[in-house]
Amino acid sequence: EPEVTQTPSHQVTQMGQEVILRCVPISNHLYFYWYRQILGQKVEFLVSFYNNEISEKSEIFDDQFSVERPDGSNFTLKIRSTKLEDSAMYFCASRRSGGAFYSYNEQFFGPGTRLTVL
Amino acid sequence: QKEVEQNSGPLSVPEGAIASLNCTYSDRGSQSFFWYRQYSGKSPELIMFIYSNGDKEDGRFTAQLNKASQYVSLLIRDSQPSDSATYLCAVNEAHDMRFGAGTRLTVKP
Repeated sequence: EPEVTQTPSHQVTQMGQEVILRCVPISNHLYFYWYRQILGQKVEFLVSFYNNEISEKSEIFDDQFSVERPDGSNFTLKIRSTKLEDSAMYFCASRRSGGAFYSYNEQFFGPGTRLTVL
Repeated sequence: QKEVEQNSGPLSVPEGAIASLNCTYSDRGSQSFFWYRQYSGKSPELIMFIYSNGDKEDGRFTAQLNKASQYVSLLIRDSQPSDSATYLCAVNEAHDMRFGAGTRLTVKP
């Protein structure tokens, strides 16, 4: 069964360093998402991406964050200068189709990357 | 601000009982609703989705949606210890998805 994959599973970095989290969405999916979950807290939407551009972003997704789909398979989240409060689990998700009324609207999540900022 | 509210629990039920999980949402224009299960340290796993008012059943799970009351629920029949997890309610807009904080369910053997 196709699945979303993410690498690395755990990333440790020093405050102020840049990190890139990588995701390979399900191959026939068109919509891509990043979420984060701080330990013990709820899953928070960061950004959605479609047709090579950002569809929507939350207030969390400030200028320190960027996303890219550098080729036909990878989808990356870059944090330019990490802060202690960026420590969280980051989930990538993908969805086949779009629009609230369409079928295949479900988002499928990858296993996550745990980011620890020291 | 779009909000999704869940009773954080913990909710404890005996094995074989019905577990009832509730969720309310603030955006009256929301159209699609999802229940995810999350085990500790793992990613959310989709259980069910519902778009229309009423009930939707899938095996031991039943999702219920009442758009007038902005309320969605999940019933788990014949609860098993393996159902012990955090259950996340999510409301999908066109380009984002908002999650509730989750309800922690424990099913006791």
